[in-house]
Amino acid sequence: KNQVEQSPQSLIILEGKNCTLQCNYTVSPFSNLRWYKQDTGRGPVSLTIMTFSENTKSNGRYTATLDADTKQSSLHITASQLSDSASYICVVSALSSGGSYIPTFGRGTSLIVHP
Amino acid sequence: DTGVSQNPRHKITKRGQNVTFRCDPISEHNRLYWYRQTLGQGPEFLTYFQNEAQLEKSRLLSDRFSAERPKGSFSTLEIQRTEQGDSAMYLCASRIGGGAGTDTQYFGPGTRLTVL
Repeated sequence: KNQVEQSPQSLIILEGKNCTLQCNYTVSPFSNLRWYKQDTGRGPVSLTIMTFSENTKSNGRYTATLDADTKQSSLHITASQLSDSASYICVVSALSSGGSYIPTFGRGTSLIVHP
Repeated sequence: DTGVSQNPRHKITKRGQNVTFRCDPISEHNRLYWYRQTLGQGPEFLTYFQNEAQLEKSRLLSDRFSAERPKGSFSTLEIQRTEQGDSAMYLCASRIGGGAGTDTQYFGPGTRLTVL
C-alpha cells in the first residue's frame, strides 16, 4: 500500500530560526514529490515539485531535498517568519496501471512560529 | 486567492440528504481534481477530469459519490444519502493538463460539509 509518513507531527520554533521537516514514502512507481503549505481553513498552496532526477529544489526560504534511493524528502525553512505557521504536507504521486498520476498525501506537519 | 472557486463554502445537512458542491477552475486549466480532507489528515484523492472526461474514479469513496464536468469547465461533486462520516472539507484543484503531472495544482478554498 502506498504510504507517506511525515515527521514531526508538530513543531514549535521561534521566529528567525531554521527548521527541517521530514517525509518518508513507500509510493511506487514514483512519479513526483510535492510539498504544500496549508493555512488553517484554506486550500494547500504548492511550494516545490521534484521528479526522480532532481535532488533539491528551492523556492525562496523553502528548500526541498529528495533521496529517491532511500525514499526520503525534507523541507528546510530558513529564517522562519510568523506567517510560516501552517501545516506542511508532503505528496507523492505514482503512475497507476491506468496511466493516471495518483497522489498520496501525508498527514502534514503542523508548524507554529512564535515571536 | 488562487483563481479556483468553490461553492458553497459551508454546507450543513441532515443525514440521508443529498448534497452537491461546485468547483470553478482557472479558465485555461483542463485538469480538475477533487479531494476530501478530514480533520487532522492530509487530503485524500477522489477523482479527476481532463476536460469533460473523468479519467480516474476508482478512488471515489463509495457509489454514493459522483462527479461531473459536463462542458469541461466547472465541475460538481454529489454525495447521495449523506452519512455523518462524510463530514469533511472537500477540496477542488485545477492545473494545465498534459506532461508528467508536474505542473502546479491550484487549490480552491474548499467546501466544509457537516452532516448532522
